Amino acid sequence: DIQMTQSPSSLSASVGDRVTITCRASESISNYLNWYQQKPGKAPKLLIFAASSLQGGVPSRFSGSGSGTHFTLTIGSLQPEDFATYYCQQSYDSPWAFGKGTKVEIK
Amino acid sequence: QVQLVESGGGVVQPGRSLRLSCAASGFSFSSYGMHWVRQAPGKGLEWVAVIWYEGVVKDYADSVKGRFTISRDTSKNTLFLQMNSLRAEDTAVYYCARADRGSPLEYWGQGTLVTVSS
Repeated sequence: DIQMTQSPSSLSASVGDRVTITCRASESISNYLNWYQQKPGKAPKLLIFAASSLQGGVPSRFSGSGSGTHFTLTIGSLQPEDFATYYCQQSYDSPWAFGKGTKVEIK
Repeated sequence: QVQLVESGGGVVQPGRSLRLSCAASGFSFSSYGMHWVRQAPGKGLEWVAVIWYEGVVKDYADSVKGRFTISRDTSKNTLFLQMNSLRAEDTAVYYCARADRGSPLEYWGQGTLVTVSS
């Protein structure tokens, strides 16, 4: 089974900061990597699919890159509404898997 | 618009069974793969099961294999998760979500809470 390793598990940042979250797959998943944002008490929301494609309605400050086993999610200029937990997820092969999440907190 | 609404959660004793439902609307239900994803209190997301669009091929996380069964009723546009031999570690919010092979989980329900406790 493919394992997803996400880092860091948490980070503190200020409004306006550039934030980068990393996700590594235990084997190559091509570009079958998706990123989700989750706020407390809410269902996850799709941000990025196929490693670098921005989901409709998602602000352009969010971007994704990578292929194979190494991927990143970047928030170009952190906004107050971006404080949340972020998850990567592979859709390359079943069983699908999520990373353990990165909690972005206010510094 | 696509809508997914879960139901059936509640408090159940260890070893007992529960069936979750997910009512789908706004899209051709039989044309898409459907998934269950869960989240234990204060923990991350865990993929649980999938039934692919043709309705025949299913897959499960190792943690639920042999205990949980995913199914669907295309005449009622409803997805199910039959959960047997429940354990305390199955306590979680259960979400249904739509995604085909290789695609992201684009649409999610609001979730239903299952609590396994004596």
